[in-house]
Amino acid sequence: DTEVTQTPKHLVMGMTNKKSLKCEQHMGHRAMYWYKQKAKKPPELMFVYSYEKLSINESVPSRFSPECPNSSLLNLHLHALQPEDSALYLCASSQDLGRDYEQYFGPGTRLTVT
Amino acid sequence: GDSVTQMEGPVTLSEEAFLTINCTYTATGYPSLFWYVQYPGEGLQLLLKATKADDKGSNKGFEATYRKETTSFHLEKGSVQVSDSAVYFCALTPYGNNRLAFGKGNQVVVIP
Repeated sequence: DTEVTQTPKHLVMGMTNKKSLKCEQHMGHRAMYWYKQKAKKPPELMFVYSYEKLSINESVPSRFSPECPNSSLLNLHLHALQPEDSALYLCASSQDLGRDYEQYFGPGTRLTVT
Repeated sequence: GDSVTQMEGPVTLSEEAFLTINCTYTATGYPSLFWYVQYPGEGLQLLLKATKADDKGSNKGFEATYRKETTSFHLEKGSVQVSDSAVYFCALTPYGNNRLAFGKGNQVVVIP
């Protein structure tokens, strides 16, 4: 099973709201990722967790706050977002860090900020 | 830095035609190479991969060969179907980490 699940599928939020995106995998993978994808563009890396610790933060604004409660779960907490943050947010996981470990992506959460 | 270049523009072709999408890369050392596919409204799916020179990745009728001498990883399929309509991304992970570097992607439209 190579499934990564994400909830919710769609999210509409105002600029003053607080919401969270959730990602789950049961493949025993020890690395998990958040990406942002704008229309007709490739995904852009936001955060990487390795063994439940934040490994990479690609200079993402603090209105995005990641959390890894355990090895299967990854959350992205959203607060005071801007309309330009509207995008598809993708979660991915891989067995470990290292060039040979392919990343498996979830279906994404389509976020609209009004 | 490490980068991937895909041919410009969408690709439109008829059902049962031969598909080629060009991908070249720039990287230090020996990257791993991937093709991902994104169907409308969905996330990315790993299509195939190759981790060393002359490796051929294959899946669902798609193939790509890791060519170190030409730094290329072109995607091919002998006979496309309407269901192959999607965006295809070439990507690499450089030696030493698995930070994916994506190409810009190619929209493929297959007409019945």
